[in-house]
Parts: sequence; structure tokens; C-alpha cells
Amino acid sequence: DAGITQSPRHKVTETGTPVTLRCHQTENHRYMYWYRQDPGHGLRLIHYSYGVKDTDKGEVSDGYSVSRSKTEDFLLTLESATSSQTSVYFCAIRTVVTEAFFGQGTRLTVV
Amino acid sequence: QQQVKQSPQSLIVQKGGISIINCAYENTAFDYFPWYQQFPGKGPALLIAIRPDVSEKKEGRFTISFNKSAKQFSLHIMDSQPGDSATYFCAVPNIGTASKLTFGTGTRLQVTL
Repeated sequence: DAGITQSPRHKVTETGTPVTLRCHQTENHRYMYWYRQDPGHGLRLIHYSYGVKDTDKGEVSDGYSVSRSKTEDFLLTLESATSSQTSVYFCAIRTVVTEAFFGQGTRLTVV
Repeated sequence: QQQVKQSPQSLIVQKGGISIINCAYENTAFDYFPWYQQFPGKGPALLIAIRPDVSEKKEGRFTISFNKSAKQFSLHIMDSQPGDSATYFCAVPNIGTASKLTFGTGTRLQVTL
């Protein structure tokens, strides 16, 4: 295992409620990423971080925010969940330009 | 925004056959082209990657072929096995910032007996 833990693994929430997903790494990697996976769309980047308090948007960042106050933790927040945010969310870590290691994913259902 | 086109979307191959998945990209900041394999309920995992100072890389039954001028690379799975049944993703580093990877839309491979 690459030392990545995502929590929770499954969550059902109601439309309009805030949701926070957590990614924790034990590898001290600089780069951390949040992707969402949907049928027909593959993996799409939501946000990524290149250091503590250094984050940037990906291609599908609307409706999401992130925070990284420690090297090991990268949080993804849905401020007000919508049904279109029902998806499987993956966290990934990476060193410079090498392979990305993915977590096991969080299945989020917004009802 | 990097565009990565992966084909086919799904593939059915008989056991022992050759599986071929293709990926085309527009531009890249860095010559590093990985393929990821994902089983149901799991996160993607690196299968094989190429840094194109070579046009081909082979690891066991898996081979990446790279055509830099055409901006295409492909994954070949020789002697395909039922255990290879999974979804495969290609990825390309984004131009402007090599720390970002853009993934293809995935190919669902089914290897039948």
C-alpha cells in the first residue's frame, strides 16, 4: 500500500448539506490530488495541492473547496452538496513527475 | 486544457488473445506516459509507464508503444487472461504544470474464457 487513507469510504447525504472528505498520507509526498470518477468521464481532477496551504483548481472545481494545513492531510469540502456531485472520489499522492498512488475511493451519494 | 482521447471505450477479448488500447494527446509538459489498471471497488494502480527516450517498453505481457510524432501511445496485453479484466486508463502530464495528470476516459476490458 502507498500509505493513503480516505475517509469515509461511503457516505449518503442530503442535498444542500456540507460534506467533507478526508485524505491522509503517511508518505510525506508533496503533491496531493482529488479526482472524481464517473461513467464515461474517467478520472477528472477537482483540485490539487503542491504543498501546505498551496492548492490549485482542476477541471471540475466548481462547488468544491480544499484545504491542506498539514503535509499529510488534504480535505475536500462540498459546501452545499448537489445530486450532480454523486460520484466516487479518489485521492492521489505523487512525487514530482512519477507515478500517482491512489486511495481506495469514497463513494458519495447525494439524495 | 489537455485533451486525452482513449479508445476503445470497451473491449472483449478471448483468453490468449491480444488486447490493444490506444491513447492520443494534444501536448504534454513532460514525456512520461503511464497506464493505470483499476479493478472494481479499488483505486487505479500504475501498470506500466514509458519515458519516451524509447519507442517501446515491455514488462511481462504488457507493452507500451509510443509514437511521439503522432502524439499517440498504446497498451498491448499479450496472451490476455481473465484476471486482466479491468478498466484501463492512460494519463498525460499537463502542459504548463507537469504535476497535473489528465486521464483518458477509460477502457473496460473483459477477457472471456
